Amino acid sequence: AQTVTQSQPEMSVQEAETVTLSCTYDTSESDYYLFWYKQPPSRQMILVIRQEAYKQQNATENRFSVNFQKAAKSFSLKISDSQLGDAAMYFCAYRSVFNDMRFGAGTRLTVKP
Amino acid sequence: DGGITQSPKYLFRKEGQNVTLSCEQNLNHDAMYWYRQDPGQGLRLIYYSQIVNDFQKGDIAEGYSVSREKKESFPLTVTSAQKNPTAFYLCASSRGHELYGYTFGSGTRLTVV
Repeated sequence: AQTVTQSQPEMSVQEAETVTLSCTYDTSESDYYLFWYKQPPSRQMILVIRQEAYKQQNATENRFSVNFQKAAKSFSLKISDSQLGDAAMYFCAYRSVFNDMRFGAGTRLTVKP
Repeated sequence: DGGITQSPKYLFRKEGQNVTLSCEQNLNHDAMYWYRQDPGQGLRLIYYSQIVNDFQKGDIAEGYSVSREKKESFPLTVTSAQKNPTAFYLCASSRGHELYGYTFGSGTRLTVV
């Protein structure tokens, strides 16, 4: 079964600085998608960014970008120019054609003013 | 606007009682999912359904039951057989086999009193 590992239970960043959240996954499949979700204190899950495994180019959404290393099975999220509103739980997730979405345990990000 | 509605937001249950959590979507999505969220464990899949009148067990289905009589609705019943039901429950939907991210509801917090 596919597993997703987030090795950083908590991270903190100074406002306006950059932070990187780590994620690794285990799979034998070649075709899959990877996601980062944000869960603010409201607990509403919000899709931040998505990466298709067959695309070598790293996905970018405004201040959010990923570093996708397929061979290493690594999928980290970089948040640039951190804002107070970025404080949340961040979940890395994996989904393939024949499986439902699998989530990591999450990383709690604190943004310091 | 399209979305997923979960109700109630907060639910209290006495030990030995069954309770049903509601999940309704107007996104015309084929697939629907129920996840349980506990601190430090991320999201764990309870049940999922890819078409009406069909559903499959996830990783932690014991003590739960579901039905999918309509495309729009996927209620979850937490039975008295669930030994530790206090948790946050999230419902999600997606466009079936297409590899898109999930759309989530706002969740239901269930507490056993």
